[in-house]
Amino acid sequence: QVQLQQWGAGLLKPSETLSLNCAVYGGSLSDYSWTWIRQSPGKGLEWIGEIDHRGSTNIKPSLKHRVSISLDTSKNQFSLRLSSLTAADTAVYYCARLVTGTRDLDVWGPGTTVTVSS
Amino acid sequence: DIQMTQSPSSLSASVGDRVTITCRASQNIRRYLHWYQQRPGEAPKLLIYVASTLQTGVPSRFSGSGSGTDFTLTISSLQPEDFATYFCQQSDTTPYSFGQGTKLHIK
Repeated sequence: QVQLQQWGAGLLKPSETLSLNCAVYGGSLSDYSWTWIRQSPGKGLEWIGEIDHRGSTNIKPSLKHRVSISLDTSKNQFSLRLSSLTAADTAVYYCARLVTGTRDLDVWGPGTTVTVSS
Repeated sequence: DIQMTQSPSSLSASVGDRVTITCRASQNIRRYLHWYQQRPGEAPKLLIYVASTLQTGVPSRFSGSGSGTDFTLTISSLQPEDFATYFCQQSDTTPYSFGQGTKLHIK
């Protein structure tokens, strides 16, 4: 059974860069895409972007100038970087697996609470 | 971007009740509509994908229907563990988007 474990700094200051990692256990990065989603009380669930097993990314246009998503196949993990943080980026961040074809999110990480505050 | 509108946003019901939640997309999303359940402090959990296919391990009291712009999630007989928040999500077109959620309360 595939599980996702995620980690990264939870308290950051405005203008700093968020770095989150998500490791895939019990399965391979191949044949799926890997997604980042965030959830805040104000904006609900928001898709940030995804990366496929070949390393091609698709990022939400409104975040594209601040977001990068990468893959490390040697470690079986993928990562999110979000730069120029503001308070509006405060949210719970989830990594999730996107099934090719049906495009549903069938496995989720537990979430990382990120707070941006001076 | 495709907007997803769920109704109602909140619903009170009793154990054993049949409930229906609706989700409307702002444009045709074919059948790329998925339903998730989220309990407090947990990640969302996939219940139904591509409008009507039950995810493995999900009880058969959950069902989904619809295509195009209008979709429904039905729980045929509510159980205590079903009181949670439900979200729909479209994956027809990026950026993928979610409904605002329907919180199911115990009456």
